[in-house]
Amino acid sequence: QVQLVESGGGVVQPGRSLRLSCAASGFTFSTYGMHWVRQAPGKGLEWVAVISYDGSNKYYTDSVKGRFTISRDNSKSTVYLQMNSLRAEDTAVYYCAKDYCQIWGQGTMVTVSS
Amino acid sequence: DIVMTQTPLSSPVTLGQPASFSCRSSQSLVHNNGDTYLSWLHQRPGQPPRLLIEKISNRFSGVPDRFSGSGAGTDFTLKISRVEAEDVGVYYCMQATLLPYTFGQGTKLEIK
Repeated sequence: QVQLVESGGGVVQPGRSLRLSCAASGFTFSTYGMHWVRQAPGKGLEWVAVISYDGSNKYYTDSVKGRFTISRDNSKSTVYLQMNSLRAEDTAVYYCAKDYCQIWGQGTMVTVSS
Repeated sequence: DIVMTQTPLSSPVTLGQPASFSCRSSQSLVHNNGDTYLSWLHQRPGQPPRLLIEKISNRFSGVPDRFSGSGAGTDFTLKISRVEAEDVGVYYCMQATLLPYTFGQGTKLEIK
């Protein structure tokens, strides 16, 4: 079945970096766009970034532009989110999602705190 | 960015009774290709969101037929014909017509 498994979350100090991964299985990964969506504790959903099926197009929400980079490795069926210059307000559960957010992973928690 | 506004923010419902959630967008969600990319998601406590409805009214795989979506343009509705205990949680509308995708603030379904 279709499955997305995120990893790479943890506790990090402000200004530091973290890379999240999302391993996909159960579908032809290389033919779908992939998204990252986050949810701060007790809050709603915030879309973060998208990458096209072949990695040629990327789009970010304004608050992460210049700090976060989305990428993918179709040979590994994995999408990544490189997060630099992290801030306290980036604290959230980060989900990856397939296509038009039809399928979601379980999420990985990122806590930015000194 | 397109702003999605959901009402009500909370909805206490008796088991077996219907429930209805509204979502309004700040601009038309009709895409250039003629489709309207309005989705409804359900999130139980401690769980990731799950897609219920896409393109206004298309139930996603495995979603019970007690869930139905309707609407057009900027006004959309999700209905549950008979609420079951497993339906508790937060319901979000989401637009995928224009980037960035945006979500409503969510409506919390509680059992009376």
